[in-house]
Amino acid sequence: DAGVTQSPTHLIKTRGQQVTLRCSPKSGHDTVSWYQQALGQGPQFIFQYYEEEERQRGNFPDRFSGHQFPNYSSELNVNALLLGDSALYLCASSSGRGGGGDTQYFGPGTRLTVL
Amino acid sequence: QKEVEQDPGPLSVPEGAIVSLNCTYSNSAFQYFMWYRQYSRKGPELLMYTYSSGNKEDGRFTAQVDKSSKYISLFIRDSQPSDSATYLCAMTTRGGADGLTFGKGTHLIIQP
Repeated sequence: DAGVTQSPTHLIKTRGQQVTLRCSPKSGHDTVSWYQQALGQGPQFIFQYYEEEERQRGNFPDRFSGHQFPNYSSELNVNALLLGDSALYLCASSSGRGGGGDTQYFGPGTRLTVL
Repeated sequence: QKEVEQDPGPLSVPEGAIVSLNCTYSNSAFQYFMWYRQYSRKGPELLMYTYSSGNKEDGRFTAQVDKSSKYISLFIRDSQPSDSATYLCAMTTRGGADGLTFGKGTHLIIQP
């Protein structure tokens, strides 16, 4: 049973560029959440997708956008990259139907470096 | 004041010791509490998941939640060098259908 997978593993971009990160959820999960983890910090919630819609959003600007596909996989897009966007981007999957009884399982992350 | 407070450490203990890790929080709406372990440059791995107040034990790990004090703990018995990692507490109001709020993480070092 494959867990949560993310691609690419590492990415280097320059300021002002755009980036797309990808995530495939754990088998049986239909909900994908994205987090940003800066060095030495805990993950910060960006947004969550369920049934191809953004269901909840954290305190991140509109430069951060996403998409969920019919097979439940998801993309995170970041426009106009800033140096401060350098971080480990984590995807987590869960089952959105059950509510409280389901928790989130994380992928290995994509490390983004902005120069 | 941040919603979730966690001492970043580092916390260094000898092998075989009992480790106590803690978080405090301010939002009384949190009902689901988790502990994740994260090795360097890897994704967080779920260790313990608890609903509301009480204790939960799994092998060498015990999670405690005291909602009246807004305080959660993770105990590790018979600690091993392989337990050396960053431990993140996380909490949410609606379980999987909700964004998690994390602490900063505690860096734990188990000395052989």
